[in-house]
Amino acid sequence: EAGVAQSPRYKIIEKRQSVAFWCNPISGHATLYWYQQILGQGPKLLIQFQNNGVVDDSQLPKDRFSAERLKGVDSTLKIQPAKLEDSAVYLCASSSQGTVEGYNEQFFGPGTRLTVL
Amino acid sequence: GQNIDQPTEMTATEGAIVQINCTYQTSGFNGLFWYQQHAGEAPTFLSYNVLDGLEEKGRFSSFLSRSKGYSYLLLKELQMKDSASYLCAVIDSNYQLIWGAGTKLIIKP
Repeated sequence: EAGVAQSPRYKIIEKRQSVAFWCNPISGHATLYWYQQILGQGPKLLIQFQNNGVVDDSQLPKDRFSAERLKGVDSTLKIQPAKLEDSAVYLCASSSQGTVEGYNEQFFGPGTRLTVL
Repeated sequence: GQNIDQPTEMTATEGAIVQINCTYQTSGFNGLFWYQQHAGEAPTFLSYNVLDGLEEKGRFSSFLSRSKGYSYLLLKELQMKDSASYLCAVIDSNYQLIWGAGTKLIIKP
């Protein structure tokens, strides 16, 4: 079975520019997560989707970050405008169960390494 | 607040055994995961504990004590490829996954 796909793998931008990341979860996985992982830290959940609805976006800096999952499959995460502190790896993960039905293992994509100069 | 504590870094010798501890204080508990993350790569699933006791899977074992808010990951017969970060994550009462900062394990020949 194909894994979680993400693109691009690397991105370098200047502060105040915009950037978008794309994620394609494992086929049939209803739950999709976007994480931010700063070097030396654990992943920080930015947003969680159940199908195309948002379950949790409490840690998403909504003044600059946005995410969507229009058809309940692919998702995009956008940063506009970027700040220096946004430099991190952005991980997308998917799982076959959501928070209501219980919990299941999350499968991670390779991540996008963002450098903001 | 919710908190997960792990040692920042550990060093062990190839062929030896190492135990990585994780203590947690969360609003409720619905399970605990251990993930392995090699440098520059995504985390990969190692184990899941929801009941007290030891779960063994090959060279890796994971232990849970819910009353103590404590888990450990035990790695036996260490190999150089085991050099990685090991992340502890707890599912809280809202079924949200709370992540620790990870333990960087360095294996020396």
